[in-house]
Amino acid sequence: GAVVSQHPSRVICKSGTSVKIECRSLDFQATTMFWYRQFPKQSLMLMATSNEGSKATYEQGVEKDKFLINHASLTLSTLTVTSAHPEDSSFYICSASRDSSDGELFFGEGSRLTVL
Amino acid sequence: GENVEQHPSTLSVQEGDSAVIKCTYSDSASNYFPWYKQELGKRPQLIIDIRSNVGEKKDQRIAVTLNKTAKHFSLHITETQPEDSAVYFCAASLSGTASKLTFGTGTRLQVTL
Repeated sequence: GAVVSQHPSRVICKSGTSVKIECRSLDFQATTMFWYRQFPKQSLMLMATSNEGSKATYEQGVEKDKFLINHASLTLSTLTVTSAHPEDSSFYICSASRDSSDGELFFGEGSRLTVL
Repeated sequence: GENVEQHPSTLSVQEGDSAVIKCTYSDSASNYFPWYKQELGKRPQLIIDIRSNVGEKKDQRIAVTLNKTAKHFSLHITETQPEDSAVYFCAASLSGTASKLTFGTGTRLQVTL
């Protein structure tokens, strides 16, 4: 099966600092990856669609200058939470679809961000 | 855009009983409907999916039914076991690569002994 790896799994940072989360497709190429945010006991909310070699597409209400997405290769997308604040504390999950697949998404392990 | 509603939000069943979770969607163009199981603090795991060219799909104790006319689909788990306890999410999207999934609000299933 397809494997998506996310790092770090947990990160604690001080308010005002920036945090980078990596999402890698280990055994397949992913032209497109998706970044979700999940608050406790809530559903997964799509933040943005990450496109290799081009700008990410952000969902309504998601600040693109705060959540920087870079998809520099077919196997790596990064999400940088800039100037993090306590309200940014959440579970961030990436997912990727194999270019040859038919809709199935493969999820990373998720990254739990805690901003003090 | 697509809107997916899911019910119930919590469901408690006794071991061995069946559990049913229902979802409705708004975009008639959606044609891929996966179900995910998520344990606390872990990634969602695909447990079954269905495409709009079929009405029902079964995999051992798990089955999904789809009614495109009514725009709703359901997850059925039979002979529930304690390890089935988790949060289940339905989702809908247009099939094909780079499809955006819209998730339902989730159902917390508790299987009691």
